[in-house]
Amino acid sequence: ILNVEQSPQSLHVQEGDSTNFTCSFPSSNFYALHWYRWETAKSPEALFVMTLNGDEKKKGRISATLNTKEGYSYLYIKGSQPEDSATYLCALYGGSQGNLIFGKGTKLSVKP
Amino acid sequence: DVKVTQSSRYLVKRTGEKVFLECVQDMDHENMFWYRQDPGLGLRLIYFSYDVKMKEKGDIPEGYSVSREKKERFSLILESASTNQTSMYLCASSFTGAGANVLTFGAGSRLTVL
Repeated sequence: ILNVEQSPQSLHVQEGDSTNFTCSFPSSNFYALHWYRWETAKSPEALFVMTLNGDEKKKGRISATLNTKEGYSYLYIKGSQPEDSATYLCALYGGSQGNLIFGKGTKLSVKP
Repeated sequence: DVKVTQSSRYLVKRTGEKVFLECVQDMDHENMFWYRQDPGLGLRLIYFSYDVKMKEKGDIPEGYSVSREKKERFSLILESASTNQTSMYLCASSFTGAGANVLTFGAGSRLTVL
C-alpha cells in the first residue's frame, strides 16, 4: 500500500512568518504530485500539480518544489497571512484513474 | 460558479436507515469520486467511477454502494447506516488524461449517524 506522509501535522505561526511543510512519497510510484488547500467550511482547491523532478511552482506567496528521486515535495508560504489558515493536502497520483493517494494534511493556523 | 454540488451539507440519520448522498458536476468530467474525511486519517477513497454505469472500489468500500446512471451524477448509498459511518463525505470529479487527474471537490456533506 502506497503511503504519503505529511509533516508537521499542525503548525501555528504568527502573521508575517514564513513557513514550510513537507510531503514524502515513495519515489518508485510517481506520476504526479498534487497540492490542495482546504479552508474550513469550503471545498478543497487544487494549488499545484507537479510532474517533473526539480519542478518549482509559484502562486502568489505560495510556492512548491518537487524531488522525485528522493520522494519529497516542499510547500513554502512567504509572509503568512491569517487567510492562509487551512489544511494543506498533498496527494500522489500513480497514473491510473482512481489512484490518488492523499496524505493526512498539515493544518496551518496563522495568528494576526 | 459552483461546479460540483453535493445535495446536503448536513444530515442526521439513525442507525439502520438508508442514506443517499447525491453529487452533481457540470464540467462534463468522466471521473467521479467519493471520499470520506475523518480526523487523523485524511481523505480516504470509498468508490470512484470513470464512466456511466461503471464503478470501482476504493480503499474503504465496505458498507457503501454507488450509482452512476448519468455522466453528471454520482450517488453514494449507505444501505444501513451505522455510527462508524459518521463522517465528512466529499465528492470530486476530474478529466481523464491530461491534467494528471486534478480533482474538483464539492463542499462536503457532514453525516451524523445516531
